[in-house]
Amino acid sequence: ILNVEQSPQSLHVQEGDSTNFTCSFPSSNFYALHWYRWETAKSPEALFVMTLNGDEKKKGRISATLNTKEGYSYLYIKGSQPEDSATYLCAFGSSNTGKLIFGQGTTLQVKP
Amino acid sequence: DAGVTQSPTHLIKTRGQQVTLRCSPKSGHDTVSWYQQALGQGPQFIFQYYEEEERQRGNFPDRFSGHQFPNYSSELNVNALLLGDSALYLCASRGTGFTYGYTFGSGTRLTVV
Repeated sequence: ILNVEQSPQSLHVQEGDSTNFTCSFPSSNFYALHWYRWETAKSPEALFVMTLNGDEKKKGRISATLNTKEGYSYLYIKGSQPEDSATYLCAFGSSNTGKLIFGQGTTLQVKP
Repeated sequence: DAGVTQSPTHLIKTRGQQVTLRCSPKSGHDTVSWYQQALGQGPQFIFQYYEEEERQRGNFPDRFSGHQFPNYSSELNVNALLLGDSALYLCASRGTGFTYGYTFGSGTRLTVV
């Protein structure tokens, strides 16, 4: 059984704080690791798709790293803003056929 | 450009009934996947359709079935509904050539009473 674990489950920070979350996934049969941001009552929005060990991706204040050999990815948010409040999901793909295995998500709340 | 459209947004059904959920993929996308998200969990893969055929299936019983039409839209059917089928059902689409990214709809909230 393939398992994807995310930690922490929830996080409360003050505006301006930097924060990071962890996604752990199987280190074998790796194909891709996805990060999504999901705001309440909206659709999950793709942040990053990472495929190569050592990959680092950045979008504005959000960045992610990937270690496929040890099976983890970190998502960083620099200078959190209230609009960053959302659930952040990671998903593991073991082939190019498309099935994704999701973690349970990290819910971030940023207080003004 | 409309993204993924799902209908209905909310639905209440009685145990034992059947339900059909609908999904229109993003323009230019031809592959559709369905996910079930129960409370407190991440989305669970149900199945994926491409070229009107089911290509991959997750650990869901045969009560869950689907269809893809020539215009790439898709339906998810659930028969003999159980209380445990209450969940948010998400549809996701992608294009050929596998650009890796998926576009998700906002889901259908199914409540079985």
